[in-house]
Amino acid sequence: DVKVTQSSRYLVKRTGEKVFLECVQDMDHENMFWYRQDPGLGLRLIYFSYDVKMKEKGDIPEGYSVSREKKERFSLILESASTNQTSMYLCASSLNSGRYNEQFFGPGTRLTVL
Amino acid sequence: AQSVTQPDIHITVSEGASLELRCNYSYGATPYLFWYVQSPGQGLQLLLKYFSGDTLVQGIKGFEAEFKRSQSSFNLRKPSVHWSDAAEYFCAVGTGGSYIPTFGRGTSLIVHP
Repeated sequence: DVKVTQSSRYLVKRTGEKVFLECVQDMDHENMFWYRQDPGLGLRLIYFSYDVKMKEKGDIPEGYSVSREKKERFSLILESASTNQTSMYLCASSLNSGRYNEQFFGPGTRLTVL
Repeated sequence: AQSVTQPDIHITVSEGASLELRCNYSYGATPYLFWYVQSPGQGLQLLLKYFSGDTLVQGIKGFEAEFKRSQSSFNLRKPSVHWSDAAEYFCAVGTGGSYIPTFGRGTSLIVHP
């Protein structure tokens, strides 16, 4: 059974803290994604990676960075957390096989920044 | 660039009633189409997908969707809704030129007993 796991389901941090959200997939997928989900706004892409050490900005990269040192792991970093980054964060992965493939999602991390 | 519209933000149905959730897309060629479901506090789970072939697609949990090219639509249907179907439903479209899908804003399904 394919799996995408995220390090925390719930996280509470203070303004200004550095926050790491970890995502691991066991499907040997090349592509990995970080989304932010807010009510009424749907899913917005923050960053994605199509290979180890490769990354590209999505629609809302400001205030975030990412790291992909190993194929199975994709980390989202909030360098200095702010209250407007309180949100649900979803990680996803997909296969890069030369044709389109569906994404597989993790359970999400609900982050609250106080 | 492609876009996806889910016209209904909320849909309320009674348990046992039929369901249709609407999805319209904008894209010049034949798209790849998906429906995902998100239960409260969970990630997204793929319900079904259309890549090519038969335009009526069967998915998990008794759902189906029909691709209508002339209407640029990919509506999700279920003949009889169960209380456990209450969730957020997302339509997404992908294209051959990119592996990044475009998601609709979602439709929240409320099921009354």
